[in-house]
Amino acid sequence: SAVISQKPSRDICQRGTSLTIQCQVDSQVTMMFWYRQQPGQSLTLIATANQGSEATYESGFVIDKFPISRPNLTFSTLTVSNLSPEDSSIYLCSAGRGQLQETQYFGPGTRLLVL
Amino acid sequence: ILNVEQSPQSLHVQEGDSTNFTCSFPSSNFYALHWYRWETAKSPEALFVMTLNGDEKKKGRISATLNTKEGYSYLYIKGSQPEDSATYLCAFLSRDDKIIFGKGTRLHILP
Repeated sequence: SAVISQKPSRDICQRGTSLTIQCQVDSQVTMMFWYRQQPGQSLTLIATANQGSEATYESGFVIDKFPISRPNLTFSTLTVSNLSPEDSSIYLCSAGRGQLQETQYFGPGTRLLVL
Repeated sequence: ILNVEQSPQSLHVQEGDSTNFTCSFPSSNFYALHWYRWETAKSPEALFVMTLNGDEKKKGRISATLNTKEGYSYLYIKGSQPEDSATYLCAFLSRDDKIIFGKGTRLHILP
């Protein structure tokens, strides 16, 4: 298994600003992913964070809005840019030792409220 | 559009009773189905990874079955305990690397 921590655990931000979320894994992992859960909705995959190269974004998500970094095998950041109230969500990172289809280990999430 | 449905949305169960709920998913392009338990203020925790039609998996008092031909999975909890209170999520994984979560079933165990 893997233990994942996220910072911050929650934040309240003004519209137009940005928030960067950090995700730290306690061991080296192959895959890291970022998800969003909007109120009343399902967990939705935003992107796969690739170590040493650009993230792979799912349909409907773009790098300008959700820039992602992954400088090594245990750490990743997600920035949510130019915040609007629609970005109010829980953001989770997850990690896996294999491909997306393998068991994923999740962080506790970051609760974001945009005013 | 791929859709994963979980029912019921919410469930109240008396402590000691058994319960079950459903995850419906597309029957084509299936690769795997995951079940997770997500307690409030904690990380979602993996329960089962299911890949074969007819799979049955068990972890303590919790078990799950899988029917890929008709596109459904059941999760069973035997003798519910207060610590079972959580949201149970299923996720459909396709052969072309898509992952679709259901909205979850929120389980409340009544003392």
